[in-house]
Amino acid sequence: AQSVTQLGSHVSVSEGALVLLRCNYSSSVPPYLFWYVQYPNQGLQLLLKYTSAATLVKGINGFEAEFKKSETSFHLTKPSAHMSDAAEYFCAVKSGAGSYQLTFGKGTKLSVIP
Amino acid sequence: DSGVTQTPKHLITATGQRVTLRCSPRSGDLSVYWYQQSLDQGLQFLIQYYNGEERAKGNILERFSAQQFPDLHSELNLSSLELGDSALYFCASSVDPTSRQETQYFGPGTRLLVL
Repeated sequence: AQSVTQLGSHVSVSEGALVLLRCNYSSSVPPYLFWYVQYPNQGLQLLLKYTSAATLVKGINGFEAEFKKSETSFHLTKPSAHMSDAAEYFCAVKSGAGSYQLTFGKGTKLSVIP
Repeated sequence: DSGVTQTPKHLITATGQRVTLRCSPRSGDLSVYWYQQSLDQGLQFLIQYYNGEERAKGNILERFSAQQFPDLHSELNLSSLELGDSALYFCASSVDPTSRQETQYFGPGTRLLVL
């Protein structure tokens, strides 16, 4: 079975500071990993995904994530936080057999302090 | 805008009642997924359909059922509602559910409040 764990349910950073949101995965097969963002009162929007083509994945809004097999991690980073980045972020892994769904982490709420 | 539409946006009902949530997938997508987001359980996969047929089931209660119609829209039926069913229900769609790398696109959700 595949699963992901997000460390830290709430992260606060100052505007302009580095954003680091942590995600570790558990998978018996090569994982396919996703980061989604949920702005208040909105649906989920894909930020980026890892599909084994490259270990460093660039996404929208300046976010990127690096797949590290040795650490079973797929942490999300952004060099400089903006107020508009305040949202909840979900790490997810494709799971299932033959027909696949998303298994999500608990989410990390990012607050950006002016 | 993901192209996935869900109606209604909000729903308030009483315990014991039955409601129907509707989802229209993106144009060209054949697969529909339903997810539930609640404070205690987080985001959980409920059920998946592909071209009208059920393909996978997750943590879906027996009081809940779903179907996908020939025009590919899907409905999630929730019956004998309990307070704990209050949650945000998302629909997502994709073209090929057998592809692990394919993106699922999410609708804006239906917020259900059971009083």
